[in-house]
Amino acid sequence: AQTVTQSQPEMSVQEAETVTLSCTYDTSESNYYLFWYKQPPSRQMILVIRQEAYKQQNATENRFSVNFQKAAKSFSLKISDSQLGDTAMYFCAFMKQDSNSGYALNFGKGTSLLVTP
Amino acid sequence: DADVTQTPRNRITKTGKRIMLECSQTKGHDRMYWYRQDPGLGLRLIYYSFDVKDINKGEISDGYSVSRQAQAKFSLSLESAIPNQTALYFCASARGGRVEDTQYFGPGTRLTVL
Repeated sequence: AQTVTQSQPEMSVQEAETVTLSCTYDTSESNYYLFWYKQPPSRQMILVIRQEAYKQQNATENRFSVNFQKAAKSFSLKISDSQLGDTAMYFCAFMKQDSNSGYALNFGKGTSLLVTP
Repeated sequence: DADVTQTPRNRITKTGKRIMLECSQTKGHDRMYWYRQDPGLGLRLIYYSFDVKDINKGEISDGYSVSRQAQAKFSLSLESAIPNQTALYFCASARGGRVEDTQYFGPGTRLTVL
């Protein structure tokens, strides 16, 4: 089974600064997908960014980027120019490229990020 | 984006009661999921379905059952609710055919079992 570890239960950052959220995972698979989801106080789950394991290039979505280190099984999220609206719980998730798993998401426990003025 | 709706949004019930949580999506997605979120534990998979004839157990299916009434509808039932089923429940859907198709989540149902 795959495990996803987010070692930082809580973090805070000042507005306009940069913050990095950590995620490590354990798998014997060679092909898989990694995701970061955001859950604001509204509790809606929102996809932030996705990375295919076979791609060397790190994914980027506007102010959000990842540092994907496949050998180290690390998938960190960097948020640049933090905004108050970034305050949320952030979940790292893993998905096997295997229909027997239902293509279901395996989530970490989350990191609560607070952006302060 | 997918429109995934869940009803009810909040529910308080008593131990031993039967509860059904409903999920509908309007984008014609084939894949549907039920997850449970507990504080400090992230989301865990309860059941998933690839189509109306395909239902599969997830990591924590004990105490739950599901019904895929149509492509668009996927219901989760608690036959006899117990307090440790108090949690936030999410339904999600994804287009079939490609493993990388994004899962879109509903707004969640907060269930409290007294």
